[in-house]
Amino acid sequence: SYELTQPPSVSVSPGQTARITCSGDALPKQYAYWYQQKPGQAPVLVIYKDSERPSGIPERFSGSSSGTTVTLTISGVQAEDEADYYCQSADSSGTYPWVFGGGTKLTVL
Amino acid sequence: EVQLVESGGGLVQPGGSLRLSCAASGFTFSSYEMNWVRQAPGKGLEWVSYISSSGSTIYYADSVKGRFTISRDNAKNSLYLQMNSLRAEDTAVYYCARVNSGYDSYYYYYMDVWGKGTTVTVSS
Repeated sequence: SYELTQPPSVSVSPGQTARITCSGDALPKQYAYWYQQKPGQAPVLVIYKDSERPSGIPERFSGSSSGTTVTLTISGVQAEDEADYYCQSADSSGTYPWVFGGGTKLTVL
Repeated sequence: EVQLVESGGGLVQPGGSLRLSCAASGFTFSSYEMNWVRQAPGKGLEWVSYISSSGSTIYYADSVKGRFTISRDNAKNSLYLQMNSLRAEDTAVYYCARVNSGYDSYYYYYMDVWGKGTTVTVSS
């Protein structure tokens, strides 16, 4: 089965830039999406189609793609950004569109 | 306001059954595909099941195939998940989520609206 790989944790100080990566063989041919989940809350879509930001999501959230890796970048990290972040994408054939990465815990020091 | 509200979770014994519901409001439910996604305690997100807007196309994760049944009632703006032969490993928070899909450079499928979830605990 298809897998997306994320680092388990990323730590940054307030005001710095956090980068969370997600790797998968099909990412050059499939869009990636990012969800933020705070403790006890439902996931929230923060990036869709690699780099598009839904309305209401702060501009400090951005996404990019390069080869088999996509990156969620949070510029000027704030304490409220501390959360788990999950990437989602599809396998190369699109047979399994809702594959999630294992999640990355972002800690704001 | 666009909203999804799940209900029907609870404590059930192994081998038992449970039916989850998801009430949609604030958007034209019949125009959207829907997913169920679950999250076991302390674990990541796991897609469970998909249903097309008309209900004619359905998919399941291998982990629930043959035990769970997804359905919808567009007249009632409701999504359902019938869960049978429940196992301890089905213990999780279950979310319903609205699917946004289409095609431009690539096919795209993502979930843009999520409910708050309902908790299912399978234990004797």
